[in-house]
Amino acid sequence: AQKITQTQPGMFVQEKEAVTLDCTYDTSDPSYGLFWYKQPSSGEMIFLIYQGSYDQQNATEGRYSLNFQKARKSANLVISASQLGDSAMYFCAMREAGANNLFFGTGTRLTVIP
Amino acid sequence: GAVVSQHPSWVICKSGTSVKIECRSLDFQATTMFWYRQFPKQSLMLMATSNEGSKATYEQGVEKDKFLINHASLTLSTLTVTSAHPEDSSFYICSARPIRTTTKSETQYFGPGTRLLVL
Repeated sequence: AQKITQTQPGMFVQEKEAVTLDCTYDTSDPSYGLFWYKQPSSGEMIFLIYQGSYDQQNATEGRYSLNFQKARKSANLVISASQLGDSAMYFCAMREAGANNLFFGTGTRLTVIP
Repeated sequence: GAVVSQHPSWVICKSGTSVKIECRSLDFQATTMFWYRQFPKQSLMLMATSNEGSKATYEQGVEKDKFLINHASLTLSTLTVTSAHPEDSSFYICSARPIRTTTKSETQYFGPGTRLLVL
Protein backbone atom coordinates (compact mmCIF):
# COMPACT_ATOMS: atom_id res chain seq x y z
CA ALA A 1 0.00 0.00 0.00
CA GLN A 2 1.13 3.52 -0.73
CA LYS A 3 2.28 5.32 2.37
CA ILE A 4 1.78 8.75 0.84
CA THR A 5 -0.90 9.57 -1.71
CA GLN A 6 -1.16 12.77 -3.68
CA THR A 7 -4.19 12.55 -5.93
CA GLN A 8 -3.69 15.77 -7.85
CA PRO A 9 -1.11 15.39 -10.64
CA GLY A 10 -1.56 19.03 -11.56
CA MET A 11 -3.23 22.12 -10.15
CA PHE A 12 -3.78 25.63 -11.44
CA VAL A 13 -4.32 28.70 -9.32
CA GLN A 14 -4.78 32.36 -10.09
CA GLU A 15 -2.09 34.66 -8.79
CA LYS A 16 -2.90 36.05 -5.32
CA GLU A 17 -5.44 33.30 -4.67
CA ALA A 18 -5.06 30.49 -2.13
CA VAL A 19 -4.63 26.87 -3.16
CA THR A 20 -4.79 23.56 -1.30
CA LEU A 21 -2.65 20.60 -2.28
CA ASP A 22 -3.94 17.29 -1.00
CA CYS A 23 -1.96 14.61 0.79
CA THR A 24 -3.14 11.51 2.60
CA TYR A 25 -0.94 9.05 4.39
CA ASP A 26 -1.05 5.54 5.72
CA THR A 27 0.74 4.36 8.82
CA SER A 28 0.05 2.30 11.90
CA ASP A 29 2.83 4.01 13.81
CA PRO A 30 1.44 6.50 16.37
CA SER A 31 4.53 8.68 16.04
CA TYR A 32 5.44 10.15 12.68
CA GLY A 33 6.35 13.36 10.93
CA LEU A 34 4.88 14.90 7.81
CA PHE A 35 6.77 17.15 5.43
CA TRP A 36 6.14 19.24 2.36
CA TYR A 37 8.87 20.04 -0.14
CA LYS A 38 8.87 22.27 -3.21
CA GLN A 39 10.87 21.30 -6.28
CA PRO A 40 11.21 24.04 -8.92
CA SER A 41 12.44 23.25 -12.40
CA SER A 42 16.04 23.63 -11.24
CA GLY A 43 15.59 20.37 -9.32
CA GLU A 44 16.48 21.36 -5.79
CA MET A 45 14.18 20.16 -3.03
CA ILE A 46 13.17 23.04 -0.80
CA PHE A 47 11.80 22.24 2.65
CA LEU A 48 8.57 24.11 3.31
CA ILE A 49 6.88 22.87 6.44
CA TYR A 50 6.86 20.10 9.05
CA GLN A 51 4.08 18.64 11.20
CA GLY A 52 4.65 16.15 13.98
CA SER A 53 1.93 13.63 14.72
CA TYR A 54 1.68 14.81 18.31
CA ASP A 55 1.67 18.51 17.50
CA GLN A 56 -1.51 20.06 18.83
CA GLN A 57 -1.64 22.92 16.37
CA ASN A 58 -1.40 23.01 12.62
CA ALA A 59 2.02 24.07 11.41
CA THR A 60 2.44 27.41 9.69
CA GLU A 61 5.43 28.94 7.93
CA GLY A 62 4.74 32.28 6.31
CA ARG A 63 2.33 31.75 3.42
CA TYR A 64 2.38 27.98 3.96
CA SER A 65 0.12 26.20 6.39
CA LEU A 66 -0.57 22.54 6.91
CA ASN A 67 -4.15 21.44 7.42
CA PHE A 68 -3.51 18.41 9.60
CA GLN A 69 -6.51 16.13 10.14
CA LYS A 70 -5.17 13.20 12.07
CA ALA A 71 -8.34 11.11 12.13
CA ARG A 72 -8.63 11.36 8.37
CA LYS A 73 -4.87 10.88 7.92
CA SER A 74 -4.59 13.91 5.75
CA ALA A 75 -1.96 16.65 5.70
CA ASN A 76 -2.96 19.14 3.05
CA LEU A 77 -0.71 22.07 2.20
CA VAL A 78 -2.36 25.46 1.90
CA ILE A 79 -0.52 28.20 0.06
CA SER A 80 -2.03 31.63 0.54
CA ALA A 81 -1.65 34.60 -1.81
CA SER A 82 -0.05 32.54 -4.59
CA GLN A 83 2.86 34.05 -6.45
CA LEU A 84 4.24 33.22 -9.88
CA GLY A 85 7.34 31.85 -8.18
CA ASP A 86 5.21 29.23 -6.47
CA SER A 87 4.92 27.33 -9.75
CA ALA A 88 6.74 24.06 -9.09
CA MET A 89 6.32 20.43 -8.13
CA TYR A 90 5.21 19.88 -4.55
CA PHE A 91 5.93 16.66 -2.69
CA CYS A 92 4.37 15.42 0.51
CA ALA A 93 6.51 13.07 2.59
CA MET A 94 6.33 11.11 5.82
CA ARG A 95 8.83 9.64 8.21
CA GLU A 96 7.73 7.08 10.78
CA ALA A 97 9.25 7.00 14.24
CA GLY A 98 12.42 4.98 14.42
CA ALA A 99 12.91 5.25 10.68
CA ASN A 100 15.43 7.51 9.06
CA ASN A 101 14.12 7.76 5.54
CA LEU A 102 11.26 9.72 4.06
CA PHE A 103 8.47 8.22 1.99
CA PHE A 104 7.49 10.56 -0.81
CA GLY A 105 4.25 10.97 -2.67
CA THR A 106 4.13 11.24 -6.45
CA GLY A 107 3.91 15.00 -6.34
CA THR A 108 1.57 17.73 -7.58
CA ARG A 109 2.60 20.20 -10.24
CA LEU A 110 1.29 23.64 -9.34
CA THR A 111 1.00 26.31 -11.98
CA VAL A 112 0.25 29.88 -10.95
CA ILE A 113 -1.56 31.85 -13.63
CA PRO A 114 -0.95 35.59 -13.88
CA GLY B 1 21.20 27.68 7.92
CA ALA B 2 20.87 23.99 7.02
CA VAL B 3 22.58 24.14 3.64
CA VAL B 4 23.56 21.03 1.73
CA SER B 5 25.80 21.23 -1.31
CA GLN B 6 26.36 18.73 -4.08
CA HIS B 7 29.18 18.57 -6.55
CA PRO B 8 29.16 18.39 -9.48
CA SER B 9 25.79 19.84 -10.41
CA TRP B 10 25.88 18.07 -13.74
CA VAL B 11 28.18 15.60 -15.44
CA ILE B 12 28.41 13.98 -18.85
CA CYS B 13 30.55 10.89 -19.14
CA LYS B 14 31.26 8.02 -21.46
CA SER B 15 29.83 4.59 -20.87
CA GLY B 16 32.12 2.49 -18.70
CA THR B 17 33.61 5.31 -16.69
CA SER B 18 33.02 5.99 -12.99
CA VAL B 19 31.53 9.15 -11.61
CA LYS B 20 31.83 10.44 -8.06
CA ILE B 21 29.24 12.78 -6.56
CA GLU B 22 29.91 14.62 -3.31
CA CYS B 23 27.31 15.68 -0.79
CA ARG B 24 28.29 18.10 1.98
CA SER B 25 26.36 19.59 4.85
CA LEU B 26 27.82 23.07 5.12
CA ASP B 27 26.56 24.37 8.43
CA PHE B 28 25.54 21.33 10.40
CA GLN B 29 26.69 17.82 11.17
CA ALA B 30 24.82 14.78 9.99
CA THR B 31 25.40 11.20 11.06
CA THR B 32 22.96 10.12 8.38
CA MET B 33 22.75 11.16 4.76
CA PHE B 34 20.49 9.81 2.07
CA TRP B 35 20.89 9.28 -1.65
CA TYR B 36 17.89 9.47 -3.95
CA ARG B 37 17.39 9.00 -7.64
CA GLN B 38 14.72 10.79 -9.61
CA PHE B 39 13.59 10.04 -13.15
CA PRO B 40 11.87 12.77 -15.19
CA LYS B 41 8.41 13.62 -13.92
CA GLN B 42 8.61 11.02 -11.18
CA SER B 43 9.03 11.08 -7.45
CA LEU B 44 12.24 10.55 -5.52
CA MET B 45 13.36 6.97 -5.04
CA LEU B 46 15.54 6.26 -2.03
CA MET B 47 18.66 4.39 -3.08
CA ALA B 48 20.56 4.10 0.17
CA THR B 49 21.09 5.50 3.62
CA SER B 50 24.63 6.57 4.34
CA ASN B 51 25.86 6.25 7.92
CA GLU B 52 28.99 7.99 9.14
CA GLY B 53 31.67 5.50 10.01
CA SER B 54 29.76 2.43 8.89
CA LYS B 55 28.45 0.73 5.80
CA ALA B 56 25.57 2.19 3.87
CA THR B 57 22.17 0.56 3.92
CA TYR B 58 20.86 -0.05 0.41
CA GLU B 59 17.25 -0.29 -0.64
CA GLN B 60 15.99 -3.41 -2.33
CA GLY B 61 16.97 -3.58 -5.96
CA VAL B 62 19.87 -1.13 -5.69
CA GLU B 63 23.24 -2.68 -6.58
CA LYS B 64 25.68 -1.82 -3.83
CA ASP B 65 28.67 -2.76 -5.99
CA LYS B 66 27.54 -0.34 -8.66
CA PHE B 67 26.59 2.55 -6.41
CA LEU B 68 29.39 2.87 -3.90
CA ILE B 69 28.68 5.06 -0.92
CA ASN B 70 31.22 6.41 1.52
CA HIS B 71 30.38 8.57 4.53
CA ALA B 72 33.81 9.69 5.61
CA SER B 73 32.85 12.41 8.07
CA LEU B 74 29.88 14.07 9.72
CA THR B 75 29.65 16.51 6.83
CA LEU B 76 30.56 14.50 3.75
CA SER B 77 29.09 11.56 1.88
CA THR B 78 30.06 10.44 -1.61
CA LEU B 79 28.23 8.35 -4.19
CA THR B 80 30.31 6.71 -6.90
CA VAL B 81 28.53 5.30 -9.93
CA THR B 82 30.91 2.63 -11.15
CA SER B 83 31.10 1.57 -14.80
CA ALA B 84 28.27 3.90 -15.70
CA HIS B 85 25.89 2.98 -18.49
CA PRO B 86 23.25 5.04 -20.30
CA GLU B 87 20.50 3.59 -18.09
CA ASP B 88 22.25 5.18 -15.09
CA SER B 89 21.48 8.61 -16.52
CA SER B 90 19.29 10.31 -13.98
CA PHE B 91 19.01 13.08 -11.40
CA TYR B 92 20.77 12.12 -8.19
CA ILE B 93 19.96 14.07 -5.07
CA CYS B 94 21.29 13.74 -1.55
CA SER B 95 19.84 14.85 1.74
CA ALA B 96 21.09 15.12 5.29
CA ARG B 97 19.41 15.09 8.65
CA PRO B 98 21.00 17.21 11.38
CA ILE B 99 22.23 15.51 14.50
CA ARG B 100 19.47 15.58 17.11
CA THR B 101 20.34 18.80 18.89
CA THR B 102 17.59 21.18 17.83
CA THR B 103 13.95 21.08 16.94
CA LYS B 104 14.95 21.40 13.32
CA SER B 105 16.59 17.99 13.53
CA GLU B 106 13.34 16.44 12.39
CA THR B 107 13.89 17.85 8.94
CA GLN B 108 15.90 16.46 6.07
CA TYR B 109 17.66 19.07 3.98
CA PHE B 110 18.38 18.37 0.36
CA GLY B 111 21.25 19.20 -1.91
CA PRO B 112 20.63 20.83 -5.28
CA GLY B 113 21.06 17.54 -7.13
CA THR B 114 23.39 16.20 -9.79
CA ARG B 115 22.27 15.52 -13.33
CA LEU B 116 24.18 12.58 -14.80
CA LEU B 117 24.17 11.83 -18.50
CA VAL B 118 26.00 8.74 -19.66
CA LEU B 119 26.69 8.57 -23.38
